[in-house]
Amino acid sequence: DIRMTQSPPSLSASVGDRVIMTCRASQTISTFLNWYQQRPGKAPRLLIYAASNLQSGVPSRFSGSGSEKDFTLTISSLQSDDFATYYCQQSYFTPRTFGQGTKVEI
Amino acid sequence: EVQLVESGGGLVRPGGSLRLSCAASGISFSSYSMNWVRQAPGKGLEWVASITSTNDYIYYADSVNGRFTISRDNAKNSLYLQMNSLRAEDTAVYFCATEEYYDSRGTYISYFDYWGQGTLVTVSS
Repeated sequence: DIRMTQSPPSLSASVGDRVIMTCRASQTISTFLNWYQQRPGKAPRLLIYAASNLQSGVPSRFSGSGSEKDFTLTISSLQSDDFATYYCQQSYFTPRTFGQGTKVEI
Repeated sequence: EVQLVESGGGLVRPGGSLRLSCAASGISFSSYSMNWVRQAPGKGLEWVASITSTNDYIYYADSVNGRFTISRDNAKNSLYLQMNSLRAEDTAVYFCATEEYYDSRGTYISYFDYWGQGTLVTVSS
């Protein structure tokens, strides 16, 4: 199975901050990488697909980059709605695997 | 508006069975591959199973293979997960999710775009 490792596991930030989190795959996955946001008690929400494509309706402050093994999710100016846990997920191989998440806290 | 509504969760004893359902509306259900993803309390997301739009390919996580069965009824816009021989470690919120594909110059990259709200399965004596 492909192992996805996210860092940091958690981070503290303030409204307006630029936030960057990373995801590393245990083997090359091209751009078969998606990002999800999950607020407490809610379902995950797709933010970015295929490494860098913004899902319809997602604010443009979210952006994704990377390829092969190393990927980044950036929030350009953190808003109060963005305090949540973020997961990366690879779709290169089955089983689809998720990272363990990065929790963004105040 | 797209809606995926899971049902069928509850408390079950170890070794017992449960059948989850996911009712879809607002989408052309028969066109989508579908998935089950679960989340144990306080833990991350774990993909469980997937089924293609016409049932021709079905896949399971190793942790549930041989115990869980995914199925669908396109006439009823519904997805199912039959869970047998349940264990304490199957305790989780179970989400259903649609799988969409992005055409990246002839390479199709999949992602989970629509999700249900989840249904809680608790396996305990």
